[in-house]
Amino acid sequence: SQQGEEDPQALSIQEGENATMNCSYKTSINNLQWYRQNSGRGLVHLILIRSNEREKHSGRLRVTLDTSKKSSSLLITASRAADTASYFCATTGGSNYKLTFGKGTLLTVNP
Amino acid sequence: NAGVTQTPKFQVLKTGQSMTLQCAQDMNHEYMSWYRQDPGMGLRLIHYSVGAGITDQGEVPNGYNVSRSTTEDFPLRLLSAAPSQTSVYFCASSSPGQLPYEQYFGPGTRLTVT
Repeated sequence: SQQGEEDPQALSIQEGENATMNCSYKTSINNLQWYRQNSGRGLVHLILIRSNEREKHSGRLRVTLDTSKKSSSLLITASRAADTASYFCATTGGSNYKLTFGKGTLLTVNP
Repeated sequence: NAGVTQTPKFQVLKTGQSMTLQCAQDMNHEYMSWYRQDPGMGLRLIHYSVGAGITDQGEVPNGYNVSRSTTEDFPLRLLSAAPSQTSVYFCASSSPGQLPYEQYFGPGTRLTVT
């Protein structure tokens, strides 16, 4: 069963705007990760946030985690056309090796 | 480093045929896994291995076999292909000794079963 559920399923914005994607999950986690998938390609790891962290930054990415609400958000600032991709959240729970993925958000950044 | 490689890139099978999807990594990662990706379903874990000689089932293991005789290779076998196994298959690897829990993905194998 899917652990994470991303919202929205699809998001279309203009270059330069910020993009926010949300992820909700069902059970307690050790950490939550965000991955990007360009069309027809494998997934690429973006950022990991541990269960005892509330916010993390990496370049134009900002991730927040609210374990009380079992939710996370990924913010991409000053988006570029190259950010067009699907974004997935993935959680680890009892096993740090086993990732459970959500269904993804398709982000389209229009030039 | 080549990272995680998968072969073939594309494959068409008839129902009932068997085949092996190959996965190899050259990063000396202990952990390897197989996922399938279906439209609107995200990725689902099929089988995984935490080291040579050790494998375990994931969320959707039925119809698939794996073995891990070396650290580098983790082949996925389809015993008797069914149309429901039409999907894109991804292999991934990671090592807690390097970047903990980050998984490196291969480019995928697109499988169609007719």
